[in-house]
Amino acid sequence: EAGVAQSPRYKIIEKRQSVAFWCNPISGHATLYWYQQILGQGPKLLIQFQNNGVVDDSQLPKDRFSAERLKGVDSTLKIQPAKLEDSAVYLCASSLDMAGSGEQFFGPGTRLTVL
Amino acid sequence: TQLLEQSPQFLSIQEGENLTVYCNSSSVFSSLQWYRQEPGEGPVLLVTVVTGGEVKKLKRLTFQFGDARKDSSLHITAAQPGDTGLYLCAGEAGRSYIPTFGRGTSLIVHP
Repeated sequence: EAGVAQSPRYKIIEKRQSVAFWCNPISGHATLYWYQQILGQGPKLLIQFQNNGVVDDSQLPKDRFSAERLKGVDSTLKIQPAKLEDSAVYLCASSLDMAGSGEQFFGPGTRLTVL
Repeated sequence: TQLLEQSPQFLSIQEGENLTVYCNSSSVFSSLQWYRQEPGEGPVLLVTVVTGGEVKKLKRLTFQFGDARKDSSLHITAAQPGDTGLYLCAGEAGRSYIPTFGRGTSLIVHP
């Protein structure tokens, strides 16, 4: 079974530039999550989708971050414009259903460096 | 404010030693998960605990869920260098479907 795919794996940009990340969850998984993980810390949930609807985006900085999951499958996360403090690993995860055991399957992440 | 507090934050031990890491909260969780994350990779699920007082074993790893479902511990017996990584606890508090993670315990096991 293919895992969660993310691209790109690494991205270096200058502050005020834009960047987009892509995630393809495990086939059949209804719930998709985007996390931000700063070095040495646990993942912080940015947004959670159930199919193509948003379940929670309370920690998403909406003035600069946006995410969509139009067809209820793959998803993109965009930052525009980027700030230095956005340097982090952006993890995508999926789960069968948000009402299940809570098990999430994670992709390898995209490491973003903002200069 | 962290919903899930993990301790210790860092742990550096020699191969063969035992260790315990803790995950505590003031909130009740319907279930808790423990993940291990290696550098450059996403977290990988180790175990899910659901019932208060539950104990699960995975080879040299023993996981316990507190009776009140507010805390959990992970005990590693005879640690090996391959156990090195960031150990994360996570869960959904109360009836929420929103997952939250602790800050993690970074473990280094020296040969």
